[in-house]
Amino acid sequence: EIVLKQSPGTLSLSPGERATLSCRASQSVSRNFLAWYHQKPGQAPSLLIYGASNRATGIPDRFSGSGSGTDFTLTISRLEPEDFAVYYCQQYGSSPGTFGQGTKVEIK
Amino acid sequence: EVQLVQSGAEVKNPGASVKISCKISGYTFTGYYMHWVQQAPGKGLEWMGLVDPEDGEAIYAEKFQGRVTITADTSTDTAYMELSSLKSDDTAVYYCATGRPPPVLVAGATEYFDPWGQGTLVTVSS
Repeated sequence: EIVLKQSPGTLSLSPGERATLSCRASQSVSRNFLAWYHQKPGQAPSLLIYGASNRATGIPDRFSGSGSGTDFTLTISRLEPEDFAVYYCQQYGSSPGTFGQGTKVEIK
Repeated sequence: EVQLVQSGAEVKNPGASVKISCKISGYTFTGYYMHWVQQAPGKGLEWMGLVDPEDGEAIYAEKFQGRVTITADTSTDTAYMELSSLKSDDTAVYYCATGRPPPVLVAGATEYFDPWGQGTLVTVSS
């Protein structure tokens, strides 16, 4: 199965700053079938991005996804207070689908 | 509005079984696979398996094979996940999530998840 490694483990930033999160796969993700989710404390994960770069319904354009093959990036252009959370990537290009271990974006 | 509402928290003894429900609304239940994901305390997300509500066929992750049973009741638009032979390592929040297939059919591909249920905490303790 494909192993996803996210970096950094924790990102300490201030509101208004830019966040760049990385997701690296152990082998190429078929058709760039990669999704990003965020999870706020005590809540379920929620879809942000699918197909590496497509924003889910209702997701603001400060969130963008990019990348291909084995290297993917989630960028939050200007952090809002509600963006401080844990972010997970998931590949669904091959079964079983697998998740990265998460990046926590915390307030500096 | 699409919603997945899960049953409440459970406390179980080691060796027991637990069965969690996930009732959907806002879409056609038989139109999408239902997946289950485990999240142990302070840990990441692990896919457990899925069910096709249309025919009841289920596929399980190797880690849980033999201990997990995922079913769907189309009369109530509810999916179920039963985990048996519980051990302390099974203490976790369990989520149901609607599978979304990729736009093109690709051999071996699976699905991303949207939306998710609110989660059900299962505590295994003697």
